[in-house]
Amino acid sequence: GALVYQYPRRTICKSGTSMRMECQAVGFQATSVAWYRQSPQKTFELIALSTVNSAIKYEQNFTQEKFPISHPNLSFSSMTVLNAYLEDRGLYLCGAREGTGTGQLYFGEGSKLTVL
Amino acid sequence: GDQVEQSPSALSLHEGTGSALRCNFTTTMRAVQWFRKNSRGSLINLFYLASGTKENGRLKSAFDSKERYSTLHIRDAQLEDSGTYFCAAEGYNQGKLIFGQGTKLSIKP
Repeated sequence: GALVYQYPRRTICKSGTSMRMECQAVGFQATSVAWYRQSPQKTFELIALSTVNSAIKYEQNFTQEKFPISHPNLSFSSMTVLNAYLEDRGLYLCGAREGTGTGQLYFGEGSKLTVL
Repeated sequence: GDQVEQSPSALSLHEGTGSALRCNFTTTMRAVQWFRKNSRGSLINLFYLASGTKENGRLKSAFDSKERYSTLHIRDAQLEDSGTYFCAAEGYNQGKLIFGQGTKLSIKP
């Protein structure tokens, strides 16, 4: 079956430092990877949508300079939260699907970021 | 922008009873997914529908793209069904998945 592994599960970092999280797809080809954030008391916000061999598209309020993403092959993606502050805390989820544009997204367990 | 309105925000059921969750969309969506967030925080896939209905055990989901809504029916609720349920609609714009606000379901003995 299709599985997505995400790590680390939890990170506590000091304000102003950075945190990198990784996403591994197993059992299918992750042509598209979507990164989401669930902030406290909020629903899931899309950060960016990445497709292998295409440009990464960031949503409004999220930038490559703050959330650089790498998607080098069909099984792996990573995202870094640079210069993290309190407003960046939350649960970061990656969702991956085969193909582009449509299809079921499979999610990892998320990386919870706490900023001190 | 495209929006997904999920209701109710919270629901309490007695064991053995049932109810329905609903998501309304502000625009035509290509497909819908339903998830349950478990105690570990993982999003468990329940359904993916591009049209019609699907059933899995005590859960049944329907999606009507034209009428812009989807429902998730739970019957014979069990204690382990407790959790937060999310719908997420897939738009035609590069397959972006837009999440509803979630429904916190509590099952009481």
